[in-house]
Amino acid sequence: QVQLVQSGAEVKKPGASLTVSCKASGYSFRLYGVIWVRQGPGEGLEWMGWISAYNGNRRSAEKFQDRITLTTDTDTNTAYMELRGLRSDDTAVYYCARVSCTNGVCRGVDGLHFWGQGTTVTVSS
Amino acid sequence: EIVLTQSPGTLSLSPGERATLSCRASQIVSGSYLAWYQQKPGQAPRLLIYSASTRAAGIPDRFSGSESGTDFTLTISRLEPDDFARYYCQLSSTWTFGQGTRVEIE
Repeated sequence: QVQLVQSGAEVKKPGASLTVSCKASGYSFRLYGVIWVRQGPGEGLEWMGWISAYNGNRRSAEKFQDRITLTTDTDTNTAYMELRGLRSDDTAVYYCARVSCTNGVCRGVDGLHFWGQGTTVTVSS
Repeated sequence: EIVLTQSPGTLSLSPGERATLSCRASQIVSGSYLAWYQQKPGQAPRLLIYSASTRAAGIPDRFSGSESGTDFTLTISRLEPDDFARYYCQLSSTWTFGQGTRVEIE
């Protein structure tokens, strides 16, 4: 069965960098992409970016473009999200999800069927 | 920038009642990219509906989606205790989420 398993909770200081991993299993990793979504305490869902595992094409939300790096490792079927320059308002639960892509562009026309369990990140001095 | 506005913010209903949740786009969008998710506290979102009206695998048929112009609707025909949760619409052409509707027990 399809599974996305994320790395564990993190506590970071302001200004630090964060890397969350998302290990996929149960499907052909390179046929899909990975999308990253976060949710602040008591807040809604916020899209951060996606990356195609097929060719590495990626797109990030404008508010994160200068701070985020999305990568994949097709040898280990793992996606990574790095966020730099952490601030207190980056405190959130970070989710990865599998997304369908066509020709390296991830549009998720069929929705996000499979999600990781979430990684809680706390940014505090 | 396309904005998705969900209403109401909170819906207070009893089990067995019908729930109607709205999601309005700020401009014309393709329903092919509109999805609905259910989220319970401490859990990841769960896909209910994609392409505006197609139920995801394993989703009971009491959940249905429809579209009319820029208005999208999620209907739960008869609420069951497990359905009390927060619901989000999402447009995958721009990866925009609505702010959510909480369905609570009255």
